[in-house]
Amino acid sequence: GNSVTQMEGPVTLSEEAFLTINCTYTATGYPSLFWYVQYPGEGLQLLLKATKADDKGSNKGFEATYRKETTSFHLEKGSVQVSDSAVYFCALSVYSGYSTLTFGKGTMLLVSP
Amino acid sequence: EAQVTQNPRYLITVTGKKLTVTCSQNMNHEYMSWYRQDPGLGLRQIYYSMNVEVTDKGDVPEGYKVSRKEKRNFPLILESPSPNQTSLYFCASSSQPPGAGTSQETQYFGPGTRLLVL
Repeated sequence: GNSVTQMEGPVTLSEEAFLTINCTYTATGYPSLFWYVQYPGEGLQLLLKATKADDKGSNKGFEATYRKETTSFHLEKGSVQVSDSAVYFCALSVYSGYSTLTFGKGTMLLVSP
Repeated sequence: EAQVTQNPRYLITVTGKKLTVTCSQNMNHEYMSWYRQDPGLGLRQIYYSMNVEVTDKGDVPEGYKVSRKEKRNFPLILESPSPNQTSLYFCASSSQPPGAGTSQETQYFGPGTRLLVL
């Protein structure tokens, strides 16, 4: 079946530090890959996505590259801000009999001033 | 403004008392789904709907029902809630279903409904 594994948190960083949140996946077929962000008390928002191998998704300074050879989609940001503190979810979608998004368990990011 | 709305946002109830959580979207999306979010488990899909009158089970459908009589609405029904259904619930919608491989498959999430079953 399909699954997403992401690093456990919380990840604690100082402002302006470099961020990496690892995400690997297993899937049948050719999935689309997503990063969603959930700010405290809110629903999930799409952060970025990539639909095919070697695509790079980017938004708000965050980037992730679809690596088919390593089945990975790691999230990176060069300089985090306090406002980036949130829970980040890696997810995949692939039609395999039925349609669903498969989520990782989420990684909490805490950025201190 | 394009949005997915859910009501109520917070609900405390007792075991066995039927309840309905409403979900409505104003984007004319065909695909809608319900998820529950639990600590350490991420989001898991309960039910989804590909279009009006077309619904199907997700990963954790036990104890839930849904209906899709209109395109914009997708209520979640708990006929006899139990404490293990205490959770944070999210509704989501998209033009195309996950796996379509297009930009229209991006799901838009509602703000969530926090349910406590005593």
